[in-house]
Amino acid sequence: DGGITQSPKYLFRKEGQNVTLSCEQNLNHDAMYWYRQDPGQGLRLIYYSQIVNDFQKGDIAEGYSVSREKKESFPLTVTSAQKNPTAFYLCASMLHGAGYTEAFFGQGTRLTVV
Amino acid sequence: AQRVTQPEKLLSVFKGAPVELKCNYSYSGSPELFWYVQYSRQRLQLLLRHISRESIKGFTADLNKGETSFHLKKPFAQEEDSAMYYCALLTGTASKLTFGTGTRLQVTL
Repeated sequence: DGGITQSPKYLFRKEGQNVTLSCEQNLNHDAMYWYRQDPGQGLRLIYYSQIVNDFQKGDIAEGYSVSREKKESFPLTVTSAQKNPTAFYLCASMLHGAGYTEAFFGQGTRLTVV
Repeated sequence: AQRVTQPEKLLSVFKGAPVELKCNYSYSGSPELFWYVQYSRQRLQLLLRHISRESIKGFTADLNKGETSFHLKKPFAQEEDSAMYYCALLTGTASKLTFGTGTRLQVTL
């Protein structure tokens, strides 16, 4: 079953703790993305990666970190430096080339800081 | 820096009425624009791309470079069109994909 999988669906974190959100894809896409979705603010880009071992900061990267050691995996770490981490996080991968471009999204992870 | 603006948070129309969801962008280069849709309890998914100039589910969108706009239109709204719609801009060799804040379309009887 091809697609993009985020885990866990719900995550609770104590203040001051780092937490890592998983994103895996078996679509053989080169590009992967992390977004944060807050009510009324749409999708804001946190980090993105075009190829393995390379990634760029998005518009709201502060307090987050990523790695891209494998093509199929792009985990996001929410660090204790992120001032307002409670949000819905979306991961995407993108097929880009040969005149066709489309991003595919995961189901999302809802992170709550308690 | 690139930016996508969707001025309306909510658009409410009657069934059978025309729909226009507005999207404006700012980018100095050659843009690639998309509309994505999120139906209730479903994943965000691609609706249409400006490059293909296609009509999907009766929706069309034309890129107007002079006005830097990519408005989404449908002549007759259906109940099943009720969803959240996002305009997106793809830029640069690093493939940065930027979304607008979204517009919720509500189609009522």
